[in-house]
Amino acid sequence: DAKTTQPNSMESNEEEPVHLPCNHSTISGTDYIHWYRQLPSQGPEYVIHGLTSNVNNRMASLAIAEDRKSSTLILHRATLRDAAVYYCILRGLTVTGNQFYFGTGTSLTVIP
Amino acid sequence: SQTIHQWPATLVQPVGSPLSLECTVEGTSNPNLYWYRQAAGRGLQLLFYSVGIGQISSEVPQNLSASRPQDRQFILSSKKLLLSDSGFYLCAWGAGGRPYNEQFFGPGTRLTVL
Repeated sequence: DAKTTQPNSMESNEEEPVHLPCNHSTISGTDYIHWYRQLPSQGPEYVIHGLTSNVNNRMASLAIAEDRKSSTLILHRATLRDAAVYYCILRGLTVTGNQFYFGTGTSLTVIP
Repeated sequence: SQTIHQWPATLVQPVGSPLSLECTVEGTSNPNLYWYRQAAGRGLQLLFYSVGIGQISSEVPQNLSASRPQDRQFILSSKKLLLSDSGFYLCAWGAGGRPYNEQFFGPGTRLTVL
């Protein structure tokens, strides 16, 4: 799978929108972009995924650049419960075991 | 609905002792199964994955091994633990075959080797 680059940490005020960036300049045309988050002392949980078009769900929105070399996870109104490490991961068609390779992610701090 | 169980939740073991961590999945059949480890303050490291009974792929050479004796059971073992084996061990399952499929993680086992 191609590599992703994320900032180590970010801060946001509570109830403000948060934009978490991810660079993936070597993405291939069939790679899906996945976002997971890990709350303290818990396993990661799925947030959202997309291929080319922007995606929305109840947790977040995913904005994908037109050239697909970057994407942004958008939390519309950060809450204290959104404080977590957010991982951006690419998954391609050739991955036989469908395994994930997590990077170090972005640690999000939400300030009350 | 599908659920994933891991036990024990916490474990303290002396160096050189054996290890057995168990993971079971309910509510699905023929899942892909995964073991990850997270050292303190670090990211997740994929250790093993399995696409079927008896089929194990190892990602990192080390003193750990994995087995899948039943469709929905995944076991992580060691004959002799090292200090560096301390960490948070996570089991996950996913539906196979498509790169858009999610992975679902268990609650984890926190292992301390003394």
